[in-house]
Amino acid sequence: AQKVTQAQTEISVVEKEDVTLDCVYETRDTTYYLFWYKQPPSGELVFLIRRNSFDEQNEISGRYSWNFQKSTSSFNFTITASQVVDSAVYFCAFLGAGGTSYGKLTFGQGTILTVHP
Amino acid sequence: NAGVTQTPKFQVLKTGQSMTLQCAQDMNHNSMYWYRQDPGMGLRLIYYSASEGTTDKGEVPNGYNVSRLNKREFSLRLESAAPSQTSVYFCASSELSAYEQYFGPGTRLTVT
Repeated sequence: AQKVTQAQTEISVVEKEDVTLDCVYETRDTTYYLFWYKQPPSGELVFLIRRNSFDEQNEISGRYSWNFQKSTSSFNFTITASQVVDSAVYFCAFLGAGGTSYGKLTFGQGTILTVHP
Repeated sequence: NAGVTQTPKFQVLKTGQSMTLQCAQDMNHNSMYWYRQDPGMGLRLIYYSASEGTTDKGEVPNGYNVSRLNKREFSLRLESAAPSQTSVYFCASSELSAYEQYFGPGTRLTVT
């Protein structure tokens, strides 16, 4: 069975600090997909990124960047120069591409990020 | 283009009552999903439908049933509500099962 662990339950930073959210996954699948979602205080879930297991290139989108390392089964998310609007719960999620796990997204427990002005 | 819509937004039920949560998407997506979110537990998959005409159990299906009414609509039914089903329920859809999912605004359900 797949498992996603977000070790940091809560993180608190001051605006303009950089912050990294950790995500570690467990799987026996060779093909899989990894995701990050943001859940702001309003409650909706916002898709941020999808990576497949064959693409280990890091990705940058504005102040957001993602570091995928297959060797350590990690898919970490960094926010550079954090802002108050980044305050949210962030979820890492895993989707296996084979067998009975196909189509079943497994979420981590989430990291609550609070950015103080 | 409304994306994924859910009704109702809030609901209070008494133990033993039944209700259906409605979900619709206008993105022509093939796959649809129902999740529940409980404090400290992330989101857990209840049921999903990879394509019209198919449904499959997720991690926590007990006490729920689903119907994929057509390509746009996927409903979740609680036949006999229990306090343990107090939660926030999210519907989601994706173009295909391996693609990113887009979520509705959620339904906050309380069972007393």
